[in-house]
Amino acid sequence: GAGVSQSPSNKVTEKGKDVELRCDPISGHTALYWYRQSLGQGLEFLIYFQGNSAPDKSGLPSDRFSAERTGGSVSTLTIQRTQQEDSAVYLCASSLELGYGYTFGSGTRLTVV
Amino acid sequence: TQLLEQSPQFLSIQEGENLTVYCNSSSVFSSLQWYRQEPGEGPVLLVTVVTGGEVKKLKRLTFQFGDARKDSSLHITAAQTGDTGLYLCAGARGATNKLIFGTGTLLAVQP
Repeated sequence: GAGVSQSPSNKVTEKGKDVELRCDPISGHTALYWYRQSLGQGLEFLIYFQGNSAPDKSGLPSDRFSAERTGGSVSTLTIQRTQQEDSAVYLCASSLELGYGYTFGSGTRLTVV
Repeated sequence: TQLLEQSPQFLSIQEGENLTVYCNSSSVFSSLQWYRQEPGEGPVLLVTVVTGGEVKKLKRLTFQFGDARKDSSLHITAAQTGDTGLYLCAGARGATNKLIFGTGTLLAVQP
């Protein structure tokens, strides 16, 4: 597609439930990244995928968080047993290669009640 | 520990004024990028600087990368209301060039 697409744009979930966030990157971009942004704050790195290499999961805050990228394209970020502190905007970005400028999606605003 | 500190955190100015935003670190980066983010949207890339001492101009915006590649600044001349947003610097380091984002500067330009 023309840009990075994320769905849903908003998600309200009850504490303890699992959620899945989806990212559809720009076609041909080999690198895909997930970041988390709390209100008015900078971006916290979560995970990135580069081609067929093993993903860098060093930013995932707990083992409740996982992500996969199927076929080198679409990625899904899964949060199990959600907690209130998981509430944030989850941003996905892709780039042609590592180190190139990122193109971000509009994000998924997750609210855990 | 935040690797990239931005200052100021908040800035409210009148249209037509000049301003400078700073991005500082004790770490060396292979490149540095600046993004602007508007409410409800993802950050949008403004510029990438790679060489120490590099200066890039984008209309009324001037970006500078420090000689030691540890810091950067963004200067806006004659600010307009459309410049309002969250400005983020991001440094690439390590073999993977993973981006580390700064703390952000929230700019409000009043008419």
